[in-house]
Amino acid sequence: AQSVTQLDSQVPVFEEAPVELRCNYSSSVSVYLFWYVQYPNQGLQLLLKYLSGSTLVKGINGFEAEFNKSQTSFHLRKPSVHISDTAEYFCAVSGAGTYKYIFGTGTRLKVLA
Amino acid sequence: EAQVTQNPRYLITVTGKKLTVTCSQNMNHEYMSWYRQDPGLGLRQIYYSMNVEVTDKGDVPEGYKVSRKEKRNFPLILESPSPNQTSLYFCASSSGQTQYFGPGTRLLVL
Repeated sequence: AQSVTQLDSQVPVFEEAPVELRCNYSSSVSVYLFWYVQYPNQGLQLLLKYLSGSTLVKGINGFEAEFNKSQTSFHLRKPSVHISDTAEYFCAVSGAGTYKYIFGTGTRLKVLA
Repeated sequence: EAQVTQNPRYLITVTGKKLTVTCSQNMNHEYMSWYRQDPGLGLRQIYYSMNVEVTDKGDVPEGYKVSRKEKRNFPLILESPSPNQTSLYFCASSSGQTQYFGPGTRLLVL
């Protein structure tokens, strides 16, 4: 079975500052890892995913994440945030070859002017 | 336009009155899934379907039913809704490992 922990429920950050949203997972099998973004009153949109290969994954809107197998982490980063990045961000894991997805509890990113 | 649609978007009902939330996708995806989103709990998978007539339970299937008679449709059925099923529900379909989510259905069970 897999599990996901998002350590921060809320992260305030000033505009143009860097940000890191943390995600740790546990699994007894190989995993696929995902970050989704949810803007207010909308569905979820895929930001990026790690399936295999390079551990540094680049996604949309300037976000990137690094898969660290030894630390079982998949932290999301952006070097300079914008007001429009204010949203809730979800980390998710799926066991390779399975169809079950486990989502974290989400991190609300609030970008301040 | 490629999309996942859900109906209704908002629903208020009473305990015990059967309801169905429809989900349809126009991307010819084999995989579809239902989630519920609750504050502080994130999204939890209710049921998923790998293809027509193939469904399986997610983490929170109690009180829900699904069917997959056609590739494009994956309705969620609450035979006897209870107040603890008040939630925001999302349907998703998937190509490979990329899920596309619908806009959500907000359900209130009184």
